[in-house]
Amino acid sequence: DIVLTQSPALAVSLGQRATISCKTNQNVDYYGNSYMHWYQQKPGQQPKLLIYLASNLASGIPARFSGRGSGTDFTLTIDPVEADDTATYYCQQSRNLPNTFGAGTKLELK
Amino acid sequence: QVTLKESGPGMLQPSKTLSLTCSFSGFSLSTSGMVVSWIRQPSGKSLEWLAAIDWDGDKYYNPSLKSRLTVSKDTSNTQVFLKITSVDIADTATYYCARRGANWAPFDYWGQGVMVTVSS
Repeated sequence: DIVLTQSPALAVSLGQRATISCKTNQNVDYYGNSYMHWYQQKPGQQPKLLIYLASNLASGIPARFSGRGSGTDFTLTIDPVEADDTATYYCQQSRNLPNTFGAGTKLELK
Repeated sequence: QVTLKESGPGMLQPSKTLSLTCSFSGFSLSTSGMVVSWIRQPSGKSLEWLAAIDWDGDKYYNPSLKSRLTVSKDTSNTQVFLKITSVDIADTATYYCARRGANWAPFDYWGQGVMVTVSS
């Protein structure tokens, strides 16, 4: 299985930039696409798709969210951070089955 | 409007079989490429992909649980089911069903989840 590693937590101030990383133990690129996606999950809610194929903004997601990366290193950036962004963020690979998720990064406000 | 909703027993005893239903609307599972997956999340922990069934009836399982899982769908393509045999406390989790447009695609719509507790 592909293992995704995320830092457990990140604290940022309102209006600042948050950068969340996700590293994989295998390359998730294939024929020009990076099969990495990002989700936001708030307590008691289902995950919500933010970014797909590493850098594409999902429908209805504000442009404050962006993603980049390829191969084994990926980042989700939120700039500027708003109060409503406090949540846990998960990366997920769909390069191979079984699809796997990172452990999640909890974003908190300073 | 795409919606998915999970239903299940809420609580069951160890060694029993867990049966879950995902009822959905706003899309057709008979559309080429469409997939409905099951994903679970123990309280305070991350997400684990369990199984999937696609538009053509092909089934996919997480190898770590494959011997205990059965995914199926109804003939009207409006419900997907998951059975987990021989449950134990480690199967206590919130179970989600989610849609994707292809096996490589992201999960773009999720149900609200159903909490299942395994306890004697």
